[in-house]
Amino acid sequence: DAGVIQSPRHEVTEMGQEVTLRCKPISGHDYLFWYRQTMMRGLELLIYFNNNVPIDDSGMPEDRFSAKMPNASFSTLKIQPSEPRDSAVYFCASSPGPEAFFGQGTRLTVV
Amino acid sequence: AQKVTQAQTEISVVEKEDVTLDCVYETRDTTYYLFWYKQPPSGELVFLIRRNSFDEQNEISGRYSWNFQKSTSSFNFTITASQVVDSAVYFCALREGSQGNLIFGKGTKLSVKP
Repeated sequence: DAGVIQSPRHEVTEMGQEVTLRCKPISGHDYLFWYRQTMMRGLELLIYFNNNVPIDDSGMPEDRFSAKMPNASFSTLKIQPSEPRDSAVYFCASSPGPEAFFGQGTRLTVV
Repeated sequence: AQKVTQAQTEISVVEKEDVTLDCVYETRDTTYYLFWYKQPPSGELVFLIRRNSFDEQNEISGRYSWNFQKSTSSFNFTITASQVVDSAVYFCALREGSQGNLIFGKGTKLSVKP
């Protein structure tokens, strides 16, 4: 298996633009997580899904953030409109059980 | 609420020294899982180990060993005879049940100097 695949690996966008981050989980994994990593706040859990259904989105910072999982092999995290403080590395992870396996991350820079 | 505390922000050692990374957790659940992940300078997060709340056996894997003590809510990680390649940020994590949130500590940055 290729592991969790995230795209793009790097994204630079201007403030106010819409940004969409994509994730393909490992086949057969029931859980999918989205995390944000910054120096100040560390690894924050934004939202996670079980069998494509959002279970806990209490970590989503505000209404500008939204996540979807239309099927078992694809998820998106969207920021609209983006702001400079959204600059971070965004990780997607999937899990068949307790432990999670992470993608390479998307480094987002909002200027 | 669940919480993971890694009190050591940064540790610096010289190659071949042993080093222990501390992790203290809080949870109200009786069933939970503890993890260690490694994040090398390249940035990916690598799963190292999982322990279940009902299994307090310590584990050794090569130069790595883990000490799980429910009495002190700790899950410490020791690297024996450290090497430069061990330089990374190490994260301790906790998951309540097998379906709960997976939350991470702030991480400990380990620098191993030659």
